[in-house]
Amino acid sequence: DAKTTQPTSMDCAEGRAANLPCNHSTISGNEYVYWYRQIHSQGPQYIIHGLKNNETNEMASLIITEDRKSSTLILPHATLRDTAVYYCIVRVPSNTGKLIFGQGTTLQVKP
Amino acid sequence: DGGITQSPKYLFRKEGQNVTLSCEQNLNHDAMYWYRQDPGQGLRLIYYSQIVNDFQKGDIAEGYSVSREKKESFPLTVTSAQKNPTAFYLCASSNRGRSTEAFFGQGTRLTVV
Repeated sequence: DAKTTQPTSMDCAEGRAANLPCNHSTISGNEYVYWYRQIHSQGPQYIIHGLKNNETNEMASLIITEDRKSSTLILPHATLRDTAVYYCIVRVPSNTGKLIFGQGTTLQVKP
Repeated sequence: DGGITQSPKYLFRKEGQNVTLSCEQNLNHDAMYWYRQDPGQGLRLIYYSQIVNDFQKGDIAEGYSVSREKKESFPLTVTSAQKNPTAFYLCASSNRGRSTEAFFGQGTRLTVV
């Protein structure tokens, strides 16, 4: 699995867009980018994933650069409930069962 | 509602006692996983199971045991051999071959005193 680098922490004002970056310069051609988040004392929650095209769902948008070396998770209108640790994971979809969660980015949404 | 249920949410045990953590899912997922999370740390894989009656060790299986007798259930036993059992334990499930899109339970916080 490719290594990912995320900022340790970020702040965002409530109602504004939160843009969370992730660097994955060693990503290989068949690896996807996945995003999860973990609200304090709860289990992680799957958010979105993508290969090379930008993706959008009801929770967020994922923008992947053309060279695929970095990506950005966008929460369009952050709320206080979006305060969490956000994890970027790069790997090949498979049935080997292991998700490697690093330190992630702690997003603090402020009123 | 479909989902994964872990119980109990909080568990206290005396040192040297075995304890079993429950994990049940009604998502009809084939694969189930157990992770451990320590304060300020990422998740580490303990055991996983791709199918009933089969399971594999993860990165930190020592001191733990599991069973998978039913598709819906994947209990984890923390034995007295686990040297540092106090942690937050998370169970997850996924469709087979889609481990990267996993659904997690709410976790069990185990404290050994």
